[in-house]
Amino acid sequence: LAKTTQPISMDSYEGQEVNITCSHNNIATNDYITWYQQFPSQGPRFIIQGYKTKVTNEVASLFIPADRKSSTLSLPRVSLSDTAVYYCLVGESENNNAGNMLTFGGGTRLMVKP
Amino acid sequence: NAGVTQTPKFRILKIGQSMTLQCTQDMNHNYMYWYRQDPGMGLKLIYYSVGAGITDKGEVPNGYNVSRSTTEDFPLRLELAAPSQTSVYFCASSYPGRQETQYFGPGTRLLVL
Repeated sequence: LAKTTQPISMDSYEGQEVNITCSHNNIATNDYITWYQQFPSQGPRFIIQGYKTKVTNEVASLFIPADRKSSTLSLPRVSLSDTAVYYCLVGESENNNAGNMLTFGGGTRLMVKP
Repeated sequence: NAGVTQTPKFRILKIGQSMTLQCTQDMNHNYMYWYRQDPGMGLKLIYYSVGAGITDKGEVPNGYNVSRSTTEDFPLRLELAAPSQTSVYFCASSYPGRQETQYFGPGTRLLVL
């Protein structure tokens, strides 16, 4: 499994754009990059997934450079309610090998201040 | 759909007691998982199942047991509770082969004293 490295914590202010970068130097050809969000006292929630270039949905954008050794989760105009832990995971999609389970690291704790 | 539901929400156990954490999903997902999350830490996989009757160990299975008699249910059993098992337990499910996209339940907070 590709190991990921992301900042332990980040601070931001309401209305700002937040970019959280994840490093995954050993990403494999079949691996997808997935980001989860976890609010206090809740289970993680899938927010976005990508393979290459850029993916955007109603919550965030995900930027992946051509070498795919890193990815950046972009949250536009954050609000206080975006305060959460954000996890970057790398794993193979359509992988029927159940032993290839994903690993949730410590994540990045984002604190949005007023 | 209710998604993934877990009961109880909170439980206090004495050392040596046993209990079962319940998990049910109504999305017809074949894959199901149990994680534990210690304070300030990431999630660690305890057990997983790829379908009814099939279970396997994850990263931290010691002290736990699971069963999967139906697609919907995946209970986690603690036989002899220890203080080290104080944690928040999350159940999740996914479509077959799509373990990177998991749906999580609200969690069970367990305190062993």
